[in-house]
Amino acid sequence: DGGITQSPKYLFRKEGQNVTLSCEQNLNHDAMYWYRQDPGQGLRLIYYSQIVNDFQKGDIAEGYSVSREKKESFPLTVTSAQKNPTAFYLCASSISRTSYEQYFGPGTRLTVT
Amino acid sequence: GESVGLHLPTLSVQEGDNSIINCAYSNSASDYFIWYKQESGKGPQFIIDIRSNMDKRQGQRVTVLLNKTVKHLSLQIAATQPGDSAVYFCAENMSRDDKIIFGKGTRLHILP
Repeated sequence: DGGITQSPKYLFRKEGQNVTLSCEQNLNHDAMYWYRQDPGQGLRLIYYSQIVNDFQKGDIAEGYSVSREKKESFPLTVTSAQKNPTAFYLCASSISRTSYEQYFGPGTRLTVT
Repeated sequence: GESVGLHLPTLSVQEGDNSIINCAYSNSASDYFIWYKQESGKGPQFIIDIRSNMDKRQGQRVTVLLNKTVKHLSLQIAATQPGDSAVYFCAENMSRDDKIIFGKGTRLHILP
């Protein structure tokens, strides 16, 4: 089955630690995205990538980093510089950078204490 | 499930009735408008889209209406079923942009 996967579903970390969230897609999509979702605030764009080895900051990139070494993978690192990292993180992909139909993974719930 | 909508507006609808979910957008330059459905604990799922030069578009059991004069978008779900219970997000996109902008969402609650 084609799709987009995120792991793990739940992740717990101590404050001050960096943590990397996994996102993999086998849809052969060029574009990939990371969103953060908080209660009552919808989805906010963290980073996006239109093609391998290229990525751009979204609206709330501070405290996060990404890489796009392979077409199918777009991991997100939540660094210790992120002031409020506890959130639900969603990865998405689309066939091209101009496509507005995005396919979402199941999300990772990160809790930092 | 995920507590993604603790403070979202909620629409309660009797099973079998029609649902109308509304959304106001701000950017008159947007070219596409999209509706996504997010069930508890899952990622959003694309439902239907409408281009800015259209007023209405129908899908299976869903209809999207666009009123550019008042910058208003609505999603109508016919004969609402328990499986329609979810948070619904409207989103907008400019064709020259690489991003889509999501609204805050509305929770649809189905009454038995």
